[in-house]
Amino acid sequence: NAGVTQTPKFQVLKTGQSMTLQCAQDMNHNSMYWYRQDPGMGLRLIYYSASEGTTDKGEVPNGYNVSRLNKREFSLRLESAAPSQTSVYFCASTGLAGINEQFFGPGTRLTVL
Amino acid sequence: GEDVEQSLFLSVREGDSSVINCTYTDSSSTYLYWYKQEPGAGLQLLTYIFSNMDMKQDQRLTVLLNKKDKHLSLRIADTQTGDSAIYFCAESNDYKLSFGAGTTVTVRA
Repeated sequence: NAGVTQTPKFQVLKTGQSMTLQCAQDMNHNSMYWYRQDPGMGLRLIYYSASEGTTDKGEVPNGYNVSRLNKREFSLRLESAAPSQTSVYFCASTGLAGINEQFFGPGTRLTVL
Repeated sequence: GEDVEQSLFLSVREGDSSVINCTYTDSSSTYLYWYKQEPGAGLQLLTYIFSNMDMKQDQRLTVLLNKKDKHLSLRIADTQTGDSAIYFCAESNDYKLSFGAGTTVTVRA
């Protein structure tokens, strides 16, 4: 099992450009999440999908959109990138059974110039 | 997240014990967690405690929970250089987790 995979690992954008971050999990998990990590601020939830076919806003959704393409895949789109979106983005998933452990991908480091 | 607070830095000598503290706000959390992030990697669950427990021990790790004060701590005994990482406290809320800002632990020789 690959667990949670994310592409790309690194990306540099110019202000106003768009891009989609991809995430996939092979653990048959129902719920998936997108976080951003900034120094001194921990992880902040951008969007989440409790189950296939549903998406909800998290703490910092402005400037982002998401698509839960199927049970495996959950993508994050920046329509018009801004320097404030420079961050490390993590995707996570959980099956919600037992202790509700979230499994994280390796992250995408995004720089917006 | 603003609901979970922890100090940002801890420096400890190799072989000593490390104690990382955390305060949380949601008294309905079923589980409380400690995640570890090594450089350049995602977070991994290190340990957790069920909300009706006061203490959990797992090899070198001891988790203490004070529900009255909403205080959670993680003690790492005999700290090693491989323990250098960022440690995140997290509380559960429905489908979501709220994370603290993370404590960067530096182990010095």
